[in-house]
Amino acid sequence: DAGVIQSPRHEVTEMGQEVTLRCKPISGHNSLFWYRQTMMRGLELLIYFNNNVPIDDSGMPEDRFSAKMPNASFSTLKIQPSEPRDSAVYFCASTGHYGQPQHFGDGTRLSIL
Amino acid sequence: RKEVEQDPGPFNVPEGATVAFNCTYSNSASQSFFWYRQDCRKEPKLLMSVYSSGNEDGRFTAQLNRASQYISLLIRDSKLSDSATYLCVVNPYFGAGTRLTVKP
Repeated sequence: DAGVIQSPRHEVTEMGQEVTLRCKPISGHNSLFWYRQTMMRGLELLIYFNNNVPIDDSGMPEDRFSAKMPNASFSTLKIQPSEPRDSAVYFCASTGHYGQPQHFGDGTRLSIL
Repeated sequence: RKEVEQDPGPFNVPEGATVAFNCTYSNSASQSFFWYRQDCRKEPKLLMSVYSSGNEDGRFTAQLNRASQYISLLIRDSKLSDSATYLCVVNPYFGAGTRLTVKP
């Protein structure tokens, strides 16, 4: 079975550019999570969705970040405009029901120059 | 205040040693607890769930103390292949991770 699929795997772009990260959760999973991982701050929860509805976005750093889940099989995390401090690994994870263990994608390594 | 506090280590132990990791959490209403393992430049992967009664999986034992709001992971007879970062999870929040290196 396919796991959580994230794209792109790597992205390098200049500050000020718009960045869009994509995630396809495991089919049938109802909860989707976006995390950001850095050496300094560890794995931070940015936002999570239940049944495509954002439940908690308190971890979203600022208005430059936005996330959507238009349907059960697709989610995006957008940064506009991007800044060097946004450089991190961004993980998407999904689970069948909130409370069950999460399955992670391979992550997107983002570098903002 | 962080939702989950975890000692970042690092822990450097010889093969065969027993090592324990602990995490504390702030939300007493939390219901789901896990331990994940993360290898360098990889995604976190589920190691085991943590139940109130405690649970064991081979050399790994996880425990939950709801009264004191902490969870623990014990690794017995550590192997070189156990070297990784171990992350506690108080769903959906992750601890900072504890780096373990097992040496010959």
